[in-house]
Amino acid sequence: DAEITQSPRHKITETGRQVTLACHQTWNHNNMFWYRQDLGHGLRLIHYSYGVHDTNKGEVSDGYSVSRSNTEDLPLTLESAASSQTSVYFCASSDPNSAGGSYNEQFFGPGTRLTVL
Amino acid sequence: GENVEQHPSTLSVQEGDSAVIKCTYSDSASNYFPWYKQELGKRPQLIIDIRSNVGEKKDQRIAVTLNKTAKHFSLHITETQPEDSAVYFCAASYGQNFVFGPGTRLSVLP
Repeated sequence: DAEITQSPRHKITETGRQVTLACHQTWNHNNMFWYRQDLGHGLRLIHYSYGVHDTNKGEVSDGYSVSRSNTEDLPLTLESAASSQTSVYFCASSDPNSAGGSYNEQFFGPGTRLTVL
Repeated sequence: GENVEQHPSTLSVQEGDSAVIKCTYSDSASNYFPWYKQELGKRPQLIIDIRSNVGEKKDQRIAVTLNKTAKHFSLHITETQPEDSAVYFCAASYGQNFVFGPGTRLSVLP
């Protein structure tokens, strides 16, 4: 079955280190998104991509970067991790033109819990 | 840009009672409004959605209503059950993106 996966599921790192979170989807969706989830803030958009080689900044993009070299993957990189980036990170994908699924529905991965010490 | 507000932030109901969660949005161009349910430690999952050309949509015990003029939409859960306990997020479309509300923690008390 098609799915969206994230790795690692849990990560502890130190301030100043570079960290990359992986997101992989097998639905062949054009759109992919990265959110962070913090108590009281819901899901806030970090970066998004509408296709290969397309990347865009979201609401809270400072300190993060993404690249899209193929349809399936959108890795999220924290260039120099800060304690303020301790959060749960969700990847999502969507494609309004895909058969099945609700109009423009975003499908979420299982999340990565990142702790920056 | 789009801004979505959601109320209440927490809601406790007795099992069998109804629960209502309300959201407002700011961008009149938004045309799709999904609701996601997130159980503890799990990913958000779509439970119901509504497009701007529809005023109400129902799926068994859950329903969503939309008032485009007032720019608000609501989630209604009837005959609540313990398994309805979760955090619920509303969202409004912004192009192909979503802007999410801050969430409502619903607790269904036995």
